[in-house]
Amino acid sequence: DIVMTQSPDSLAVSLGERATINCKSSQSVLYSSNNKNYLAWYQQKPGQPPKLLIYWASTRESGVPDRFSGSGSGTDFTLTISSLQAEDVAVYYCQQYYSTPPSFTFGPGTKVDIK
Amino acid sequence: EVQLVESGGGLVKPGGSLRLSCAASGFTFSTYNMNWVRQAPGKGLEWVSSISSSSTYIYYTDSVKGRFTISRDNAKNSLFLQMNSLRAEDTAVYYCARPTGDGGSYSAFDIWGQGTMVTVSS
Repeated sequence: DIVMTQSPDSLAVSLGERATINCKSSQSVLYSSNNKNYLAWYQQKPGQPPKLLIYWASTRESGVPDRFSGSGSGTDFTLTISSLQAEDVAVYYCQQYYSTPPSFTFGPGTKVDIK
Repeated sequence: EVQLVESGGGLVKPGGSLRLSCAASGFTFSTYNMNWVRQAPGKGLEWVSSISSSSTYIYYTDSVKGRFTISRDNAKNSLFLQMNSLRAEDTAVYYCARPTGDGGSYSAFDIWGQGTMVTVSS
């Protein structure tokens, strides 16, 4: 089974500053035949369901502000919030959807707060 | 509007059963695989089960195999999760989630319901 880890567990960033969250998979989630990384990022605010931000590691979901970006390949990935806004306070999860049979493993989450 | 609405949660004793439902609207339900994802209080997200569009392929996380059964009724745009032999560790909010579909069986989840709470306690 693919295990997902995230770092840090939590971070506090000043408004307007950059927030960076790392995600690591225990094995590559890059499918060589289509050169796609089967990696997604979600944002979850208290009392709400998760919201898809990024899929295929770097494709922004429709309607997601462009201050959110995803990067990385293989086993190491990053979610960057370029200029943190108050409404970005949330827990962020990465997820792999590469495994066969499907297992859709999530990382443990990273909590983002305002400093 | 694309929407998923879960129902059927509640308080149940250990060893008991519960059936969750998820009503889909605003999209062609019969063409999408569907999933259940759960979240224990104060914890992270855990994928529980997936079912293909025509119910041909079904998958479960190891901890629920033999106890939970996923099913769907495409005529009624509904997804179900029959949960038997419930344990305290099954206590969680249960979400149904739709994949984007652009990766076939292997896609991120772009539509989520609001969730239904299941509490297993004596």
